Amino acid sequence: GESVGLHLPTLSVQEGDNSIINCAYSNSASDYFIWYKQESGKGPQFIIDIRSNMDKRQGQRVTVLLNKTVKHLSLQIAATQPGDSAVYFCAEMKTSYDKVIFGPGTSLSVIP
Amino acid sequence: EAGVAQSPRYKIIEKRQSVAFWCNPISGHATLYWYQQILGQGPKLLIQFQNNGVVDDSQLPKDRFSAERLKGVDSTLKIQPAKLEDSAVYLCASSLGSGREAFFGQGTRLTVV
Repeated sequence: GESVGLHLPTLSVQEGDNSIINCAYSNSASDYFIWYKQESGKGPQFIIDIRSNMDKRQGQRVTVLLNKTVKHLSLQIAATQPGDSAVYFCAEMKTSYDKVIFGPGTSLSVIP
Repeated sequence: EAGVAQSPRYKIIEKRQSVAFWCNPISGHATLYWYQQILGQGPKLLIQFQNNGVVDDSQLPKDRFSAERLKGVDSTLKIQPAKLEDSAVYLCASSLGSGREAFFGQGTRLTVV
């Protein structure tokens, strides 16, 4: 789950379209998988999380999908808006340690 | 509700100099975290406090980094002496419960030249 590299993957979407941001995780023992949004010049902000015993969780305009078979996590943003432009980080956590391990980020750009 | 306050916002120092960062967490939050975020990467936890006790400092380079949280509220993170590779954003976060729902400050951007 440690992030690597200096170059963030990027994703550009048209305003109003749906966005899908993907992440691969490494620790099968994690209890929670989390998505954060980080806008320029700000700290990360919690968006949504999912317990490891779930496959899908929905929030307001966001859906997180967890595929434990292939250790894959995705964040879907419906009707993407300019305010959604940011770097999105996946993260994992084991409850007993209460330690969040951030993965690599994806830079989302919304085209008006 | 006021957020996590950090200062300074920016700091430029020469290598081998010392620097200190300050953090004031959200009122009532017992848990405080310091993260290091190198450009292009996700934040990495340096140290976690529960009230004024250290819970996890396994990733803190203790030969040069130190942190304290006197009285279980404000915290300071110090680097002495700084190296070029310490250039990063230092984020403070606090939480009432689980760390995954922690609130982050805006961070201090450190440049070591």
